[in-house]
Amino acid sequence: DGGITQSPKYLFRKEGQNVTLSCEQNLNHDAMYWYRQDPGQGLRLIYYSQIVNDFQKGDIAEGYSVSREKKESFPLTVTSAQKNPTAFYLCASSMGQSWGVGNTEAFFGQGTRLTVV
Amino acid sequence: AQSVSQHNHHVILSEAASLELGCNYSYGGTVNLFWYVQYPGQHLQLLLKYFSGDPLVKGIKGFEAEFIKSKFSFNLRKPSVQWSDTAEYFCAVNFLSGNTGKLIFGQGTTLQVKP
Repeated sequence: DGGITQSPKYLFRKEGQNVTLSCEQNLNHDAMYWYRQDPGQGLRLIYYSQIVNDFQKGDIAEGYSVSREKKESFPLTVTSAQKNPTAFYLCASSMGQSWGVGNTEAFFGQGTRLTVV
Repeated sequence: AQSVSQHNHHVILSEAASLELGCNYSYGGTVNLFWYVQYPGQHLQLLLKYFSGDPLVKGIKGFEAEFIKSKFSFNLRKPSVQWSDTAEYFCAVNFLSGNTGKLIFGQGTTLQVKP
């Protein structure tokens, strides 16, 4: 089945520890995104990548880091510098503009709920 | 900075009532526009999208949206809601610049439809 896989579904972290959230897609999409969803705040963009080995900061990048070494993978690391990491994290991908301006619809994974204990 | 604003945070309607959810965005360049829906316990699904052409677009489940470029708006409408439309609705805008696109979401609107 084609799609976006996020793992794990639930993750617990101790304060002061870094943790990495996995996002893999087999849709051959160029663009990938990470969002954080909090009640009443919608989805806030953390990082995004249009192509392998390139990524840009979103609106709330502080305390997070990413890499894009492979087209299908876009892992997100939540570092100890993130002051309020408990949240629901969503990964998304889209074909990207190189396939035409009409191909920027995003497809989402099931999300990872991170809890700091 | 680019931003997307949804005016209604929580809407309560009775079945058969008409729905209109507002969405405005900043920026005057090229954009792609979307409405997504998140049903309880499910992941985000695309309702409809606008790239170019007819500014009135139709989506799934009887939803439609109108793009008004002069007002930077993309409001979602449905003539008659059903109980099954209870969900959270997100407006999203992909701000395009060169070969990059920054996909920004609004804060979301929770719709509760009473039977």
